[in-house]
Order: sequence, then C-alpha cells, then structure tokens
Amino acid sequence: DAEITQSPRHKITETGRQVTLACHQTWNHNNMFWYRQDLGHGLRLIHYSYGVQDTNKGEVSDGYSVSRSNTEDLPLTLESAASSQTSVYFCASSESSGDTQYFGPGTRLTVL
Amino acid sequence: EDQVTQSPEALRLQEGESSSLNCSYTVSGLRGLFWYRQDPGKGPEFLFTLYSAGEEKEKERLKATLTKKESFLHITAPKPEDSATYLCALAGGTSYGKLTFGQGTILTVHP
Repeated sequence: DAEITQSPRHKITETGRQVTLACHQTWNHNNMFWYRQDLGHGLRLIHYSYGVQDTNKGEVSDGYSVSRSNTEDLPLTLESAASSQTSVYFCASSESSGDTQYFGPGTRLTVL
Repeated sequence: EDQVTQSPEALRLQEGESSSLNCSYTVSGLRGLFWYRQDPGKGPEFLFTLYSAGEEKEKERLKATLTKKESFLHITAPKPEDSATYLCALAGGTSYGKLTFGQGTILTVHP
C-alpha cells in the first residue's frame, strides 16, 4: 500500500545544530508539504513543493529550508536549530490535480 | 485571505449523545472543504471532502454538511473510540493545492 513516512519520529537536539527531518511518500504525488503543529496555532505551513526542483515558502519558513531532487522525498532542514523550533512536524502529499492531502505520522523535535 | 474558525474548542459528550462540530469559513472561491481526524501522537487522517453548498457525506457515525459559510460535522450516537481532535481545512480559489486549517475541536466521549 502507498504510504508516507517520516523519520526520525523523535529527535532531541541542541541550539545551533543543523537538523534534517526526512519525508518519503510512495503515492507518486507531485505535491508535498511541511507543517508544524503547536498548541494554540494549529497546523502552519512551512514549505511546499509542486514537483522536482520546485520549492516554495509557506507562512512560517524562516529558519527552514527544503530541496526536492525526486518525486518521493522532501527533506526539511533546520539550518541552526532554535528553541522556538521545538514542535511536532508533519509532512503531507497530494496529487497535482487534487487538494486532498495525506499526512505522515509526524516527527516530535525538541531543541534544548 | 482564507480563514477557518472551528467551534467549540473542546466538546465532552456521553456515549450515545449526538452533537455537531462547527467550521465557519471565509474564502475567495471554494475549491474544497476538508475534515480530518487526529488521534494523539498521530498525523491527521482524512475523513471527507465537500465541494459545494448542499453537499453531504457520511461515514459510519459521522456526517459532514456544507453551506456557503459553514460546515458541520454531525456525530450520531458517538462511542468512546470517536474521541479525537477533528480538524477542518479549506482550499481556496487561489491556493493551488495549499490548505488553510482551523485549530480543531477536541472531542471526548465518555462511556
């Protein structure tokens, strides 16, 4: 069955370190998205991609970057982790022609 | 700017006590209104998409309805396993695949 996976599921890091969160989908979807979820803010869009070599900034993109070298993967990099980036991160994907997004299980990131 | 507001923030029900969750929205050209269920420690799970006012969709004890300003998620005779956070999201005319999410309603069903 097609699925979307994220790794690691839990990560603890220190302020200033670079961190990369992986997202892999086997739906063959062109669209991929990264969100963070915090109490009181709901799901907020960080970055998104409509296909290979395409990346776009979402509403909370500062301090994050993504790259898309193939259809299946959209890794999220925190260039220099900050305590404000402690959150739960979700990856999602959708078909080019549709809007329904399917979510991964999430990564809980703690920045100390 | 597309906006989604969900109410109530939290809802406690007794098993079998039917109720509704509300999702109010403002959008320029609705492409779709989505309902998701999220269990603690998990990613949102897709439930329904509604595309136009008057549309209804059902799944087990859940029924989603849509008007030009609101969507309702009706829960009939809920069971404890229906306890979860329910998220509403919309895709607007200029969103090009992006969704705007509400903050969710935390539903707790007591046996």
